[in-house]
Amino acid sequence: QQQVKQSPQSLIVQKGGISIINCAYENTAFDYFPWYQQFPGKGPALLIAIRPDVSEKKEGRFTISFNKSAKQFSLHIMDSQPGDSATYFCAATLNTGGFKTIFGAGTRLFVKA
Amino acid sequence: EAQVTQNPRYLITVTGKKLTVTCSQNMNHEYMSWYRQDPGLGLRQIYYSMNVEVTDKGDVPEGYKVSRKEKRNFPLILESPSPNQTSLYFCASRASSYNEQFFGPGTRLTVL
Repeated sequence: QQQVKQSPQSLIVQKGGISIINCAYENTAFDYFPWYQQFPGKGPALLIAIRPDVSEKKEGRFTISFNKSAKQFSLHIMDSQPGDSATYFCAATLNTGGFKTIFGAGTRLFVKA
Repeated sequence: EAQVTQNPRYLITVTGKKLTVTCSQNMNHEYMSWYRQDPGLGLRQIYYSMNVEVTDKGDVPEGYKVSRKEKRNFPLILESPSPNQTSLYFCASRASSYNEQFFGPGTRLTVL
């Protein structure tokens, strides 16, 4: 079974703090690892993504750290804001021979003002 | 405006009554996909398509059918819906490998 395990299920962070969400995958053939942000009543929207030949990618307050040997990757949200309160999903995609995408179960983030 | 549209947005139906959820994208994307979202399970891929007339199964294809006769459209068909198909469904598209995947607004389906 190609799984992506995501933790924690929920997270409460003070405004200005760092939010950290972790994911682990099993299949080493995955070659693209996006993070999505979803607000209630909306579809997921791409936040940031990384390919396995890179160990870190930063876009503004959002950083992905990628550990290929451990088959783990994480999302760090620096200076967390109440507007960041949403559900976050990690995913892993197989791009060779298809377009299979496996999502983690999601993390509900609440940033306290 | 670049977007993925789905219809209907909400649907309540009964067991066994065939239904179709439409999906259309105006970005000329090659890849399209259907997902279902259930609490605690995240999003699970039902079917995906890499081009016209090219489709393949995702992780949970049982009970669903798809077709891709035109590049812009990718309808999801439930021939005989059952209560365990009650879920929130999302259609998505992207240009090619390693590109951003754009999601539609979702269709909330209830099967009684």
